[in-house]
Amino acid sequence: AQKVTQAQTEISVVEKEDVTLDCVYETRDTTYYLFWYKQPPSGELVFLIRRNSFDEQNEISGRYSWNFQKSTSSFNFTITASQVVDSAVYFCALSEPNFGNEKLTFGTGTRLTIIP
Amino acid sequence: DTEVTQTPKHLVMGMTNKKSLKCEQHMGHRAMYWYKQKAKKPPELMFVYSYEKLSINESVPSRFSPECPNSSLLNLHLHALQPEDSALYLCASSQGLAGKETQYFGPGTRLLVL
Repeated sequence: AQKVTQAQTEISVVEKEDVTLDCVYETRDTTYYLFWYKQPPSGELVFLIRRNSFDEQNEISGRYSWNFQKSTSSFNFTITASQVVDSAVYFCALSEPNFGNEKLTFGTGTRLTIIP
Repeated sequence: DTEVTQTPKHLVMGMTNKKSLKCEQHMGHRAMYWYKQKAKKPPELMFVYSYEKLSINESVPSRFSPECPNSSLLNLHLHALQPEDSALYLCASSQGLAGKETQYFGPGTRLLVL
């Protein structure tokens, strides 16, 4: 069975600080996909990134970066020079390409608050 | 272009009412989903509709019934709901299934059952 753990329930940092959100996953499959979504107070889940299990390259997109390490089953998300607009709940999610069992398994989310 | 629209944004209904939530996607996606999200919890999958086939999370009560009029529309009919059904209802769509496609979410409908 697949499982995603986001141990950090809530994080608060002062604006312009860097912050890392942790994500640890469990799966028996060798092929799988990892995602990060942002959910601001408005409620919409905003897609941030998808990574497949065969691509361990880290990725940077502006102030966002992701560190994928298969050896530790982690897919951590770092925000550099945080801004108030980054305040949201962030979900890490896992899916496996098994026909008939297509679903996203979400972690419990990390609530990030950026203090001005 | 990742647009999924949902109406209404907010809905208040009594336990004897019948209402419908609507979801539309304009991306030509072939799979659509309904999720339920309670406060401070992750979304929980309710239904998947793809290739004219409906898959149901067996824990979803029959007072929720999905309908797919065409490939870009997915409705959720509500009947005789309970106060515990109050939640954020999210619709999503993806290009295909098989777990590797990204799901894009709509803004959600906040439902309050009195």
